[in-house]
Amino acid sequence: DAMVIQNPRYQVTQFGKPVTLSCSQTLNHNVMYWYQQKSSQAPKLLFHYYDKDFNNEADTPDNFQSRRPNTSFCFLDIRSPGLGDTAMYLCATSRAGTEEKLFFGSGTQLSVL
Amino acid sequence: SQKIEQNSEALNIQEGKTATLTCNYTNYSPAYLQWYRQDPGRGPVFLLLIRENEKEKRKERLKVTFDTTLKQSLFHITASQPADSATYLCALRPNTGGFKTIFGAGTRLFVKA
Repeated sequence: DAMVIQNPRYQVTQFGKPVTLSCSQTLNHNVMYWYQQKSSQAPKLLFHYYDKDFNNEADTPDNFQSRRPNTSFCFLDIRSPGLGDTAMYLCATSRAGTEEKLFFGSGTQLSVL
Repeated sequence: SQKIEQNSEALNIQEGKTATLTCNYTNYSPAYLQWYRQDPGRGPVFLLLIRENEKEKRKERLKVTFDTTLKQSLFHITASQPADSATYLCALRPNTGGFKTIFGAGTRLFVKA
């Protein structure tokens, strides 16, 4: 089945230690998103790619970076995680020009200790 | 300021009854509005989309209404079942163009057998 896969499912890191979360998709969608969701809060868009074009949200901290080496893969790099970065990180995809419903992965639960 | 508001209080209903969830938004002009289901520790799953020029959309036991004058969407689940217990998120795409989808924090629904 076509899907969005996130790895790892759970990640524990130490304060200040860089971490990378990965996302892959077999849907061949041209838009990929990263959302941050803290407990009982709304998913918050960090950035998205439309093909190779990167779009950063104005309030996304500089600590958060992303890479999209090809259509199928997208990475979220957190350069120096703080305790406040503990959250679920959700990758999503959509196809531009359609209904543009989002297809989400299962998420990576990141804990910063 | 721009806001999407959903009732943060959980909704408890008896099996077989209709669940009605509310989404209100402020200072947005949505191109369309979407509803997603999210189970604990999982990514959201798309349910329904309704466009700004549509009043109502149905899919099986689900119904969504959209009132752009009231700036409100209602989401109904008829003949609810315990398996419908989850958090339901409202999301909108502003008509300013681009790919940004903004989410509400969701309402938790519990359906008792």
